[in-house]
Amino acid sequence: QVQLQESGPGLVKPSQTLSLTCSVSGDSISSGSFYWSWIRQPAGKGLEWIGRIYSSGSTNYNPSLERRVTISVDTSKNQFSLNLSSVTAADTAVYYCARHYYDVNNYFDYWGQGTLVTVSS
Amino acid sequence: DIQMTQSPSSLSASVGDRVTITCRASQRITMYLNWYQQKPGKAPKLLIYTASSLQSGVPSRFSGSGSGTDFTLTISSLQSEDLATYYCQQSYDSPLTFGGGTKVEIK
Repeated sequence: QVQLQESGPGLVKPSQTLSLTCSVSGDSISSGSFYWSWIRQPAGKGLEWIGRIYSSGSTNYNPSLERRVTISVDTSKNQFSLNLSSVTAADTAVYYCARHYYDVNNYFDYWGQGTLVTVSS
Repeated sequence: DIQMTQSPSSLSASVGDRVTITCRASQRITMYLNWYQQKPGKAPKLLIYTASSLQSGVPSRFSGSGSGTDFTLTISSLQSEDLATYYCQQSYDSPLTFGGGTKVEIK
């Protein structure tokens, strides 16, 4: 059974960098046909895709966040990470990591439980 | 970006009712439309992919249809455990985008 688990600080100061890691178990992050994505959800609001990475390190980002986002992968640890710089209160949200099955069909089939990140001084 | 518009934004129905949620894309996305269920305090769960394919383990009362720009999620007989918010998501083009959600309440 594939499991994803987000980890990182729950509180980040404005203008600083939000850093989260997603640990994957039950599957190799290097296995084919999968991207690995970050998605966020402000309280009471909808879902926003942040970006994705392939095991090779190839990335795609949401243009709305592209200037501030970096997603990286560590295949040796079976983890991928999110860095979001220059955060403001608008970046307060639950952050999810998810496996993105990408073949003829493509969809998010496994999600982490989510981690709340609050931006506040 | 492809905008996804869901309707209604919320609904209230009785156990056993047939429930229909619609999702409209701002441009043609062929069949690249997925549906997710999010229960309170939980991560979203994949229900339907590529417009009409039922994800493994999902009850058969859930079904999806549509193509092009207009899509539908149907719950044939609403159960109490279906209390949740439902989201559509297009996987046709980057950036991947979600609808605003439909909150389903039980009368």
